[in-house]
Amino acid sequence: KQEVTQIPAALSVPEGENLVLNCSFTDSAIYNLQWFRQDPGKGLTSLLLIQSSQREQTSGRLNASLDKSSGRSTLYIAASQPGDSATYLCAVLEGAGTALIFGKGTTLSVSS
Amino acid sequence: DAGITQSPRHKVTETGTPVTLRCHQTENHRYMYWYRQDPGHGLRLIHYSYGVKDTDKGEVSDGYSVSRSKTEDFLLTLESATSSQTSVYFCAMAAAAHTDTQYFGPGTRLTVL
Repeated sequence: KQEVTQIPAALSVPEGENLVLNCSFTDSAIYNLQWFRQDPGKGLTSLLLIQSSQREQTSGRLNASLDKSSGRSTLYIAASQPGDSATYLCAVLEGAGTALIFGKGTTLSVSS
Repeated sequence: DAGITQSPRHKVTETGTPVTLRCHQTENHRYMYWYRQDPGHGLRLIHYSYGVKDTDKGEVSDGYSVSRSKTEDFLLTLESATSSQTSVYFCAMAAAAHTDTQYFGPGTRLTVL
């Protein structure tokens, strides 16, 4: 059974720092990996989607990498801002079905 | 924001009563999903739909049923609500199953007393 783990569970950084969020998954047979952002009391906002054949995707200050063979992905946030404070969720779309399998998230707090 | 809404946004009900949550999308996407989000468990798939009248079970489908009579609407029904179904419910949509991101609705907070 696919399991997705996100480390750390929580992270606090001062404004301006570059940071890395980690995601690992147990079964490399995935279609894609997606990173989402969730603000308190809100729905999920898609940040980046990496297809299984790709190594990385970039959007603005965000860069996500995928190493399918080792079952790992990282989300790099450059020059963090207080507005980046949220919970970041990693999810894999596995080959067995159409369901996204989610990690429990990393809660990021960026202080000004 | 992507065109997907959920109603109601908040609901309090009593054990044993039926409850229906509605998801409505305006993007004509083929795939729709219902997830629940619980502390300590993250998001888990309840049911999904791959077309009108085409649905299938997810990881936590017991106690739930769904219907999709139109492309734009996906209904989640709790036939007889239990306290264990207290949760935040999210609906999502996607144009393609394996290559498109899933777009999520704002969620429905359901409390079963």
